[in-house]
Amino acid sequence: KQEVTQIPAALSVPEGENLVLNCSFTDSAIYNLQWFRQDPGKGLTSLLLIQSSQREQTSGRLNASLDKSSGRSTLYIAASQPGDSATYLCADPINTGTASKLTFGTGTRLQVTL
Amino acid sequence: AAGVIQSPRHLIKEKRETATLKCYPIPRHDTVYWYQQGPGQDPQFLISFYEKMQSDKGSIPDRFSAQQFSDYHSELNMSSLELGDSALYFCASSPGRQGWTEAFFGQGTRLTVV
Repeated sequence: KQEVTQIPAALSVPEGENLVLNCSFTDSAIYNLQWFRQDPGKGLTSLLLIQSSQREQTSGRLNASLDKSSGRSTLYIAASQPGDSATYLCADPINTGTASKLTFGTGTRLQVTL
Repeated sequence: AAGVIQSPRHLIKEKRETATLKCYPIPRHDTVYWYQQGPGQDPQFLISFYEKMQSDKGSIPDRFSAQQFSDYHSELNMSSLELGDSALYFCASSPGRQGWTEAFFGQGTRLTVV
């Protein structure tokens, strides 16, 4: 059974810092990987999708990388802002060929302070 | 751009009552997923549909049932509600099975059972 671990569980940084969120999988045979952001009590916003043929994806100040051999993904946030404060979740689609679903990590709760 | 729409956004029910949650996927998305997120927990997969047929089933109680209709909207029916059913319920959609494509989530329905 795939288990997804996110480190750290919580992180507080001053505005302007660059930061790295980590995500690791017990089963490194992953296909795609998706990073989400969740504000308290709100829905999940898709940030980046890294497909199996890619090693990284970039969107604005966000960069996500995927190392399938080690079963790890990293989300890099540059020049953090207070508006980045949220919980960040990585998710591994489990694909059986007939169906698939996302297995989520437990998330990293990020607080960016002024 | 159109997003996944869930209704209602908030719902309060008493124990043993029935609730119906609705999900309207992004146009031309043929796959719908339901997730349950308890307080402080990561989203847990309940059930998914592809082209109006159930494609995968997760930890969905027997008291719950779901279906996808001809217009691709989906409904999650929850009967004999228990206090432990209080959670955020998310619907997600994707154009094709999740392993290949990006999943988009709705804002969720917050169900409170009293």
